[in-house]
Amino acid sequence: RKEVEQDPGPFNVPEGATVAFNCTYSNSASQSFFWYRQDCRKEPKLLMSVYSSGNEDGRFTAQLNRASQYISLLIRDSKLSDSATYLCAVRPSGGSYIPTFGRGTSLIVHP
Amino acid sequence: DVKVTQSSRYLVKRTGEKVFLECVQDMDHENMFWYRQDPGLGLRLIYFSYDVKMKEKGDIPEGYSVSREKKERFSLILESASTNQTSMYLCASSLAGGGYGYTFGSGTRLTVV
Repeated sequence: RKEVEQDPGPFNVPEGATVAFNCTYSNSASQSFFWYRQDCRKEPKLLMSVYSSGNEDGRFTAQLNRASQYISLLIRDSKLSDSATYLCAVRPSGGSYIPTFGRGTSLIVHP
Repeated sequence: DVKVTQSSRYLVKRTGEKVFLECVQDMDHENMFWYRQDPGLGLRLIYFSYDVKMKEKGDIPEGYSVSREKKERFSLILESASTNQTSMYLCASSLAGGGYGYTFGSGTRLTVV
C-alpha cells in the first residue's frame, strides 16, 4: 500500500456543485496534514492545513478521520476557477519532518 | 507578499552540461527543499536542508548535489545533465519543524537535449 493515496480523477462537476476528495494514508502515527492546490503548469500552493477538529475556509472544509486514516476536502458551490489538481500532504511522526505528497486529484468544474 | 524565487522559468541544456538551479526565499525560513515533478509520478524529493551548510538526501539524490551557503539561498546542481533529468524542478521552503506547510517557487522547466 502506498503511503499516501489519492484518486487521480478527474472529477467533472457542474458549477455550483459540492464535491469531496479523500486522501488515505498508511502511517497511523502521522501528525500533520495539508491540502495544496496546483493549477496547470504552475506550482502547488498551500490551501489549508488540516486540524484534528476540522477546519473551514469559506467554501472549503477539511477534515481528518484518524480512525480510518484519511483526510478529506469538501468544496461547496464550485466555481470554474476551482478547476485544478488538489494534492494532499501527510507528515509522519518523529524523525524527519518531511511530508509525503499524494499524486493529486484533478477537478474540472464546467459551466 | 512572501516569496520563493527560482532563477529560471524555462531552461534548455545539452547532455553532459553542468546545470545550476538557484532558489532564493525572503521569509527567513529554516527549511528548504528541492523536488522534481513528472506526470504520473507526483512530487519526488531530491534534497533538503534544515540549516545553512547542512543538506540531507531525499528520495532521488543520484545525479544531483546541492549547496546552501546562505540561509536564503538553496542551489541544485546537476553534475552532468542527462535526458532523464528533463523535468519540472520545484524549490520550496518552510519554517522549522513539521507543522508548517510549504511555500513553493514557480518552478523551472528543464529540458535536456
